[in-house]
Amino acid sequence: RKEVEQDPGPFNVPEGATVAFNCTYSNSASQSFFWYRQDCRKEPKLLMSVYSSGNEDGRFTAQLNRASQYISLLIRDSKLSDSATYLCVVRAIQGAQKLVFGQGTRLTINP
Amino acid sequence: DVKVTQSSRYLVKRTGEKVFLECVQDMDHENMFWYRQDPGLGLRLIYFSYDVKMKEKGDIPEGYSVSREKKERFSLILESASTNQTSMYLCASTADRSEAFFGQGTRLTVV
Repeated sequence: RKEVEQDPGPFNVPEGATVAFNCTYSNSASQSFFWYRQDCRKEPKLLMSVYSSGNEDGRFTAQLNRASQYISLLIRDSKLSDSATYLCVVRAIQGAQKLVFGQGTRLTINP
Repeated sequence: DVKVTQSSRYLVKRTGEKVFLECVQDMDHENMFWYRQDPGLGLRLIYFSYDVKMKEKGDIPEGYSVSREKKERFSLILESASTNQTSMYLCASTADRSEAFFGQGTRLTVV
């Protein structure tokens, strides 16, 4: 089983729709969680950190469920510019702090 | 702004060559990582380092080695390049418990 698993998609949704991604992780000792965004042929960039109480940044909402070991990302009122690959990232403790990435979910917003 | 710089954007090397990929960060981060990214496989961790001269194997270390002689620099070495090492290589750095910052990536082609 992969340490971090995501549905690879692709997700194709119309502009203005709400879209949700889930990500599950296997290491119960994981401590930090993030969502990254990666545009085609670019490096990943931080979209938002995910906190235990859940957090929101404009149209984006992230949730963490430690009991079920999953995190989620909700995008409301999607824009064409939201088209990208979204990566779930988990920081695990393995001697040092190891960052493990999901394989990413590709999202395309259609006009 | 945090800056992570990889020495080359594009590289073409011959099978059997020894290849050095360099990564430098300017934020005094303890942790540095090397990933490779391939279509359908996501980011896979090759090696990481949590301190000078310290290194840990990631998920796919075979055929690679690393060097961290100074805190700001983390080098990835392909001892004898092979065609299956053709990939996008991404370097990242992070302080403890913070998000990762990526270099722009090196697209390596082994012919």
